[in-house]
Amino acid sequence: EAGVAQSPRYKIIEKRQSVAFWCNPISGHATLYWYQQILGQGPKLLIQFQNNGVVDDSQLPKDRFSAERLKGVDSTLKIQPAKLEDSAVYLCASSARSLSVAKNIQYFGAGTRLSVL
Amino acid sequence: AQRVTQPEKLLSVFKGAPVELKCNYSYSGSPELFWYVQYSRQRLQLLLRHISRESIKGFTADLNKGETSFHLKKPFAQEEDSAMYYCALTNAGGTSYGKLTFGQGTILTVHP
Repeated sequence: EAGVAQSPRYKIIEKRQSVAFWCNPISGHATLYWYQQILGQGPKLLIQFQNNGVVDDSQLPKDRFSAERLKGVDSTLKIQPAKLEDSAVYLCASSARSLSVAKNIQYFGAGTRLSVL
Repeated sequence: AQRVTQPEKLLSVFKGAPVELKCNYSYSGSPELFWYVQYSRQRLQLLLRHISRESIKGFTADLNKGETSFHLKKPFAQEEDSAMYYCALTNAGGTSYGKLTFGQGTILTVHP
């Protein structure tokens, strides 16, 4: 099966500009996650969707970050305006929603590397 | 709050030597623990999870609730094991299931 697709792979912008990232999860996966990974750190969850509803966005800086998953499939993550500290790899992951815990495995995309100058 | 600590940023061993990557966690509920691995130029992928109780690529990890640890072990390291390893935790139940909290990662280098 096809994996989680993300685009673009790389993005360089200047501070105060806007940027958007796109994610297409594995077909049929109801749950979608966006993580931020700053250099030298582990990924940190920004937002979790279940279908098109938000389950957890407690760590999303809502003054500048927004995300949507309108039709319960693809998702976009936007930063407006960007700051220097937003330089990171943005990872998208998806998992199948299942009562079987054994099936709730997250599959990650290749990520988008953002550099804010 | 849940937290995962990987005390070693870098770990170097020689091929054939045993390797242990340490992971400690703090969580008040019922945790589910994972090890994720990222090989060079590849995406992050699941290596193993404690509920599966299986060995993957010769690696095993045992959840020790008393010591709140989930160390990853392999008796004989191979060069292809060189990678970044992340320990991660999620709540085993409830609506927030799935949210992973990651450690900072350990870079394992296996020398020939």
